[in-house]
Amino acid sequence: QLQLQESGSGLVNPSQTLSLTCAVSGGSISSGGYSWSWIRQPPGKGLEWIGYIDHRAYTYYNPSLKSRVTISMDRSKNQFSLKMSSVTAADTAVYYCARAQKVRGLIISSFDYWGQGTLVTVSS
Amino acid sequence: QSVLTQPPSVSGAPGQRVTISCTGSSSNIGTGYDVHWYQQLPGTAPKLLISGNSNRPSGVPDRFSGSKSGTSASLAITGLQPEDEADYYCHSYDSTLSGTVLFGGGTKLTVL
Repeated sequence: QLQLQESGSGLVNPSQTLSLTCAVSGGSISSGGYSWSWIRQPPGKGLEWIGYIDHRAYTYYNPSLKSRVTISMDRSKNQFSLKMSSVTAADTAVYYCARAQKVRGLIISSFDYWGQGTLVTVSS
Repeated sequence: QSVLTQPPSVSGAPGQRVTISCTGSSSNIGTGYDVHWYQQLPGTAPKLLISGNSNRPSGVPDRFSGSKSGTSASLAITGLQPEDEADYYCHSYDSTLSGTVLFGGGTKLTVL
């Protein structure tokens, strides 16, 4: 059974960089055909896709966040990471990592496995 | 503002049938991109409910069904149960600009 687990800084100062890691167990992030995404949910609000990385380390970002986001992977540790720079209070959210099959090109299918989520608060 | 529009809330009594709509446009659902649905219980991560417009993953009761037509999709829940009270989100792909993964704004289902 595939499992994803987020970890990282729960409190980030405004203008600093948010850093999170998603550890994957029960499957390899190097396996072809899958994408590994970050998705966030501000308190009381809806879901927003941040971006994904695939098994070739190709990345694809939400155009509205692209200038501030970097997703990378560490195959040796079977984990992938998110860095978001210049954060503000608007970036306060529960951050989820999730897996989806790649369909064709940039298009992915449904998110079939999710981590439990981790709350990141941006505040001084 | 999400490009996939869902009603903020719907409600129904136990045993009833409810539907949740997800209205898109010609750049997403109308182009033929698949629609997926998720259920999010309070304080938990979203759970995949419907994949590829109408496919239920293993373990999802057949009370849940999905459909798509034109620029819209719908999630139907029959035989409503108290444990169905949750937030529901649709998800698709949008090809405007450089393309992006989209979620609907979410719908809160209340079981009366």
